[in-house]
Formats: sequence, structure tokens, C-alpha cells
Amino acid sequence: LAKTTQPISMDSYEGQEVNITCSHNNIATNDYITWYQQFPSQGPRFIIQGYKTKVTNEVASLFIPADRKSSTLSLPRVSLSDTAVYYCLVGEDNFNKFYFGSGTKLNVKP
Amino acid sequence: DTGVSQNPRHKITKRGQNVTFRCDPISEHNRLYWYRQTLGQGPEFLTYFQNEAQLEKSRLLSDRFSAERPKGSFSTLEIQRTEQGDSAMYLCASSLSTGEETQYFGPGTRLLVL
Repeated sequence: LAKTTQPISMDSYEGQEVNITCSHNNIATNDYITWYQQFPSQGPRFIIQGYKTKVTNEVASLFIPADRKSSTLSLPRVSLSDTAVYYCLVGEDNFNKFYFGSGTKLNVKP
Repeated sequence: DTGVSQNPRHKITKRGQNVTFRCDPISEHNRLYWYRQTLGQGPEFLTYFQNEAQLEKSRLLSDRFSAERPKGSFSTLEIQRTEQGDSAMYLCASSLSTGEETQYFGPGTRLLVL
């Protein structure tokens, strides 16, 4: 079971870059790494997904080292609206299900 | 709005009653998932469909829970004889089976069992 470990919470200020690291020591060869964002009383929202090296989209970057045992979500210049819980997941069993864990609660301060 | 809809958004029921939730996935998505989320925790996998076939069920899904996906379109999740411990947010997600699967989540149905 490819479980993940993330910090429980992080604080940041508006305009800063935030990096959230996730450990997934038991990641399998075929697993992808996916990050979701969740606001209170809403379903999780897809942010970014990757397999190795670096992936960038319009909202975030994902850095994955060669051994793939960890990954780092990078949010550039966060704003108050980025205050949310961020989940790191690895797909298993051909993506039949995801293990979410407890996520990282990011608190962005003015 | 991800394109996945869930109804109702909120449900209050008394212990012992049956409840049914509905999920309408993104139309071209062949996979559909149900999760349960309690306060302060991440979503927990309950069950998964590929088209109309229910391929996997978590041990969290007791005999009181049943899910269906007739014709591989919408899905229903029924809880019989509800208990207070069933109070949670029930989330539905859908995806298209490709090499890079991304699950898109609905807004959830919040259940409160009194």
C-alpha cells in the first residue's frame, strides 16, 4: 500500500512561494503522483500530476526526484484564497483507488 | 464546477432510516468512485466502478452500504439502517481510464444522522 506522509500544517504569507513535500517510500513503478486541493465543504480539486522530474501548469509545479520516493508541490506567490488542505496521492493497482491521508493544511496570512 | 454532480447536497435523517445518494459523473468517464470523508480527515475510498461493473469495495463498506451504476452512467449509494457513525461527507469522483488517471470530484453529499 503506497501511503503518503505530509506535514500536518504550514503557514505562509501572501506573495510567498510555498513548497509542500510528500514522502511516498513504497511508490510502485506504475504509480503516478497527484496533488489535490480541498476547501471546506467542497470536493477535492485536481492541481497537478506527474511521474518523474518536473511538471508545471498554470497553478503549480511538481518536483519529483529520480528515486520517486518523495515529491514537492510548489505554489508560486500564494494568496489568501490558497488557504486550503492539500493532499498528495499515489495511484495504486492501476489507479483503482487513491489513499488520501490527512493532507497538509496551508494557512496563508495577509 | 468539475462536471460531476451529486444530489442531494445535504441530508439529515434519523438513526435507522435508509438514505440514497446520487452521483452523475462527467459523461464520457467510464470510472466512478465513492469516498467518505469525516471532519479533519482525508477522503477514504469506499468503492469503484468501471462502466457498470463494481470492481472493488473497501472493507469500510459494510453490508448496510450498497452501490450501483446501472448502464454505466449515474451511480447511487444507499445506506440502510443508518447509524450516527455514518455521518460524513460522501464524495463521488469520475475518471477516464488512461495512463494518467485524474479523478474529478463532485461537491459531495453531507449526511447527518441524528
